Amino acid sequence: DAGVIQSPRHEVTEMGQEVTLRCKPISGHNSLFWYRQTMMRGLELLIYFNNNVPIDDSGMPEDRFSAKMPNASFSTLKIQPSEPRDSAVYFCASQNVAGVGNEQFFGPGTRLTVL
Amino acid sequence: TQLLEQSPQFLSIQEGENLTVYCNSSSVFSSLQWYRQEPGEGPVLLVTVVTGGEVKKLKRLTFQFGDARKDSSLHITAAQPGDTGLYLCAGVHTGRRALTFGSGTRLQVQP
Repeated sequence: DAGVIQSPRHEVTEMGQEVTLRCKPISGHNSLFWYRQTMMRGLELLIYFNNNVPIDDSGMPEDRFSAKMPNASFSTLKIQPSEPRDSAVYFCASQNVAGVGNEQFFGPGTRLTVL
Repeated sequence: TQLLEQSPQFLSIQEGENLTVYCNSSSVFSSLQWYRQEPGEGPVLLVTVVTGGEVKKLKRLTFQFGDARKDSSLHITAAQPGDTGLYLCAGVHTGRRALTFGSGTRLQVQP
């Protein structure tokens, strides 16, 4: 079975540009999470969805960040306009709420560099 | 504000040595998980502990959940180079699904 798929794996862009990160969760999982990882702040939750509905977006830094989940197999995280301080590795994770142990399965991440 | 503090932040040891990593919080968690992350990859779950005082073993790794469910430890016996990586603890608060991650412990085991 394929795990969580993220694209692109690497993104380099210039300040002010729009960036869209994509995630395909594991089939059958009903919760999806977006995290950001930096050396300074570690792994931080940005937003999570349950059954495609955003439940907690308190970790979204500011209005420049938005996330959507139009269906159970796809989610996007958009940054517009991007800034150098947005440089980080962005992870998507999915979870089967009915599963045992609350395990989240992480994708390989998207390394974003904003120049 | 980091709700989960891990110590040490960095650890470099020789193959065969033992080590313990600590994860501490002032919050009570309904469960606590330990993940390991390798360069260029996402974290992978090692174990989940749920009951205060619970001890779980995974080969050479021993995980313990504090009696008050506020802290946890990971002990590795006879470390191997393959144990090298970033170890993250993550807590779950009652009624929530999201994980709160610790600051991480970067372990390097030298052959």
